[in-house]
Amino acid sequence: AQSVSQHNHHVILSEAASLELGCNYSYGGTVNLFWYVQYPGQHLQLLLKYFSGDPLVKGIKGFEAEFIKSKFSFNLRKPSVQWSDTAEYFCAVNPYTGRRALTFGSGTRLQVQP
Amino acid sequence: DAGVTQSPTHLIKTRGQQVTLRCSPKSGHDTVSWYQQALGQGPQFIFQYYEEEERQRGNFPDRFSGHQFPNYSSELNVNALLLGDSALYLCASSLKGNGETQYFGPGTRLLVL
Repeated sequence: AQSVSQHNHHVILSEAASLELGCNYSYGGTVNLFWYVQYPGQHLQLLLKYFSGDPLVKGIKGFEAEFIKSKFSFNLRKPSVQWSDTAEYFCAVNPYTGRRALTFGSGTRLQVQP
Repeated sequence: DAGVTQSPTHLIKTRGQQVTLRCSPKSGHDTVSWYQQALGQGPQFIFQYYEEEERQRGNFPDRFSGHQFPNYSSELNVNALLLGDSALYLCASSLKGNGETQYFGPGTRLLVL
């Protein structure tokens, strides 16, 4: 069975600091990769996704993620965070074929201090 | 363009009772997936419906069942509620063949006392 690990459970940054959130998955085949964000009081929103092609994916609000196949990783980055980026971030994967259910990591709570 | 909607927003039940949660998919979507999100955890897949049939199922007991209607809306039913069923229940919709990007609703928060 596939699994997703997010090693940073709670991250606290000051505004303008750079962000990198780790995501590793275990699955032997081809996967689709996602980052979702959950702002306080709001529902899960898609931040970015990777299906194929350029392993560096750009998403909304200045976020990007890099797929490194050899490391089974899909880390999320942002060069300069804002207070409004305070949220919970979830990495998710689903296999390219067959069962398409999303498997989520346990999430990383990001707190940006003004 | 209406997104995914869910009802009710909150629900309080007692152990042993039954509950029905409802979901309307995003306009144009035909596939509905249900997830359970316990406090402090990531969502866990319950099952997925397409063409009014359960297509995939996660590691949840038979107390969890569902239905999809011809208009693609869906219901999640949970029987014999346990305290551990307290969670946020999320509905996600997608369009088969569109890379399976799933769009989530606001969820229904269920509290079992």
